[in-house]
Amino acid sequence: GAVVSQHPSRVICKSGTSVKIECRSLDFQATTMFWYRQFPKKSLMLMATSNEGSKATYEQGVEKDKFLINHASLTLSTLTVTSAHPEDSSFYICSARDSSTELFFGEGSRLTVL
Amino acid sequence: QKEVEQNSGPLSVPEGAIASLNCTYSDRGSQSFFWYRQYSGKSPELIMFIYSNGDKEDGRFTAQLNKASQYVSLLIRDSQPSDSATYLCAVRGSSASKIIFGSGTRLSIRP
Repeated sequence: GAVVSQHPSRVICKSGTSVKIECRSLDFQATTMFWYRQFPKKSLMLMATSNEGSKATYEQGVEKDKFLINHASLTLSTLTVTSAHPEDSSFYICSARDSSTELFFGEGSRLTVL
Repeated sequence: QKEVEQNSGPLSVPEGAIASLNCTYSDRGSQSFFWYRQYSGKSPELIMFIYSNGDKEDGRFTAQLNKASQYVSLLIRDSQPSDSATYLCAVRGSSASKIIFGSGTRLSIRP
């Protein structure tokens, strides 16, 4: 299957700082990438759909000024958590779809805000 | 009503038996259905996908889809301890872009 790489896998930051997470499709071009958030023992919650060359589409209840998404190329999307607070601590997972309808996930990034 | 519903479990199955995982969805126009396995602290990995009514088999896994009943299931034959994980049902709805996940069923295979 297609490979999606996510970095960093773990990040710890102080409250008030911003954190950037990268998602790359390594062996295919992804015009659309998806960002999910997962709390412990909960399912994946879709945060936003990232479209190459255009603005991301955010799900209801997700603050677009808080979670900045940039999809600058066909292989890279970034999620920046701005002014992070402890309640933003979570597992963030990106995914991308290749030419099929299958969705491939990155390894996930565990964010801990102190 | 949730868009994709699963029993959270835990579902405990003896080693070697068949594990049956179920999922229902609300969008009647949904076209694509996926089963993902997620180990604790890891990202989901795709096990199977199914588009058409009926059964689809891949090794020890069989996905079953009934669009009339809006129901999709996953059977795991000859269950192994390594199958212990959370299984996520995912559905791509009629809007065709996003995939919605169920809350997952935690499966435990006891030796």
